[in-house]
Amino acid sequence: DAGVIQSPRHEVTEMGQEVTLRCKPISGHNSLFWYRQTMMRGLELLIYFNNNVPIDDSGMPEDRFSAKMPNASFSTLKIQPSEPRDSAVYFCASSPGTLNYEQYFGPGTRLTVT
Amino acid sequence: ILNVEQSPQSLHVQEGDSTNFTCSFPSSNFYALHWYRWETAKSPEALFVMTLNGDEKKKGRISATLNTKEGYSYLYIKGSQPEDSATYLCAFIGNQFYFGTGTSLTVIP
Repeated sequence: DAGVIQSPRHEVTEMGQEVTLRCKPISGHNSLFWYRQTMMRGLELLIYFNNNVPIDDSGMPEDRFSAKMPNASFSTLKIQPSEPRDSAVYFCASSPGTLNYEQYFGPGTRLTVT
Repeated sequence: ILNVEQSPQSLHVQEGDSTNFTCSFPSSNFYALHWYRWETAKSPEALFVMTLNGDEKKKGRISATLNTKEGYSYLYIKGSQPEDSATYLCAFIGNQFYFGTGTSLTVIP
């Protein structure tokens, strides 16, 4: 298996623009997690899905952030409008179960908002 | 926000030395504890998921123990090698998901 795939790997955008990050989980995994890594706050869970359904979105910072999982093989994290403080590395991870299973991380998307 | 603390923050050891570090977490509402190994410029790599008080897990030279009643987990590395150099991160899962700030390990050849 290719592992968790994320795209793009790098994104540079101007403040106010819409940003869409994409994730393809490992085939057969039924949980998907979106994380954000910043210098100030470290690694934070934003949202996780189980069987394509959002289970916990309490980590989503504000209404500008939204995440979808239309099917078992694809998820998006959208920021609209983007702000400079959204600059971070965004990781996607998938797991064959819920929170008591190992998670497999993708390579991350480095987002820079100018 | 709950406190998940890792100590020490950083550690330098000589190749061949054994070492250990700690993850402290709330002793209430425990569901699971994850340990990750995170090399610079890479993604976190799962080491262990621990769920039961008294759990001990081992993967090669790395092992971990769990005490949910007192709220701590130890990670041990036996005979450290330069390739063990990384940040070791724990994550507490209770009502929510909280990461520690990590222990940065440098193994000096």
